[in-house]
Amino acid sequence: EIVLTQSPATLSLSPGERATLSCRASQSVSSYLAWYQQKPGQAPRLLIYDASNRATAIPARFSGSGSGTDFTLTISSLEPEDFAVYYCQQRSNWPHTFGQGTKLEIK
Amino acid sequence: EVQLVESGGGLVQPGRSLRLSCAASGFTFDDYAMHWVRQAPGKGLEWVSGISWNSGSIGYADSVKGRFTISRDNAKNSLYLQMNSLRAEDTALYYCAKVGISGWIDYWGQGTLVTVSS
Repeated sequence: EIVLTQSPATLSLSPGERATLSCRASQSVSSYLAWYQQKPGQAPRLLIYDASNRATAIPARFSGSGSGTDFTLTISSLEPEDFAVYYCQQRSNWPHTFGQGTKLEIK
Repeated sequence: EVQLVESGGGLVQPGRSLRLSCAASGFTFDDYAMHWVRQAPGKGLEWVSGISWNSGSIGYADSVKGRFTISRDNAKNSLYLQMNSLRAEDTALYYCAKVGISGWIDYWGQGTLVTVSS
């Protein structure tokens, strides 16, 4: 099973700042990595797929990069609605594991 | 409009079984893979199981392998999760999820809560 480790566990920033979230895989997943956003009481929403492609209707301030074992989700300038929990997921092999999540909170 | 409606959750004793269902509408069900993802109260997402459009490829999380069985009935636009030998750690909100043409989950249901407790 591929283990995804996200860091930091919690990130405290202010609106307008830049956020950088990391996801590291225990073995190469090529570019088969996605990022999801989840707000309290809601189902997750796909943000980025195949490491760097924005999903439908996702604002340009969200970007993804990386390949192999190291991946980054960047939010260029935080909006109030961006404070949420972010998860990475891989689909290189079964099982399609998730990372443990990074909580992005308002400073 | 894509709709995924889960049912079958509830309170069950450890060691017993439960079958979850997911009724899909608003898209051509037999064109897409489907997954189950769960979330324990206050915890992160855990991928549980996935099934390809024709049931030819199936995968399970290590934590449920041998106890859970995923299946689908394309004629009924339905996804299922048979859960046997349930444990307290299986307590979670179980989401039914549709995989898009990108290969990633693009729609989620609202979830059905499974509580395993004596």
